[in-house]
Amino acid sequence: NAGVMQNPRHLVRRRGQEARLRCSPMKGHSHVYWYRQLPEEGLKFMVYLQKENIIDESGMPKERFSAEFPKEGPSILRIQQVVRGDSAAYFCASSPRQGTWEQYFGPGTRLTVT
Amino acid sequence: GENVEQHPSTLSVQEGDSAVIKCTYSDSASNYFPWYKQELGKRPQLIIDIRSNVGEKKDQRIAVTLNKTAKHFSLHITETQPEDSAVYFCAASMDGGATNKLIFGTGTLLAVQP
Repeated sequence: NAGVMQNPRHLVRRRGQEARLRCSPMKGHSHVYWYRQLPEEGLKFMVYLQKENIIDESGMPKERFSAEFPKEGPSILRIQQVVRGDSAAYFCASSPRQGTWEQYFGPGTRLTVT
Repeated sequence: GENVEQHPSTLSVQEGDSAVIKCTYSDSASNYFPWYKQELGKRPQLIIDIRSNVGEKKDQRIAVTLNKTAKHFSLHITETQPEDSAVYFCAASMDGGATNKLIFGTGTLLAVQP
């Protein structure tokens, strides 16, 4: 019974490059949340997706950030033209359906922008 | 906007003592309150949660209390052990909203001294 999977676990990018972060939810889960954790801070909601739909992206920066959750395959958080301030841990969480309370977190991707 | 405040930011206790972490939320529509434990470099793990129709919930050495009138909820850990040392996050969520996104507190670093 695999939990939420994220890859890569660590990602180093130079300023201006693109970062792609992947999240595979738990088996049977069709809802994915992305959160960002800056160093020594709490987690901040970014976006909530169901298969093929973005439900709530109120926490996403307006520029350079995008997310998708295709019918097949993992959810992807994409950051274009990364800057040093994007360095953070990015966690995804999954839940089985809308209206379910519990969210189960993946191990996170630690992005470092040099 | 939605906000969750958490206190204290750091807490040091002797092994065997109790630890209490308190949170206050701003959105009176919130009705789901989970607590997560995060060890260094690891994923947040759900340790206990409470819903608004319940005032208190206990699971072995961990208990959570909720005061909806005051918009406070607290985590109580009794008979603390060194392995309880971690960062603890409270969160709040609103059922009936479109997303069930979690709004996190800023975290409490708990250090249990052997």
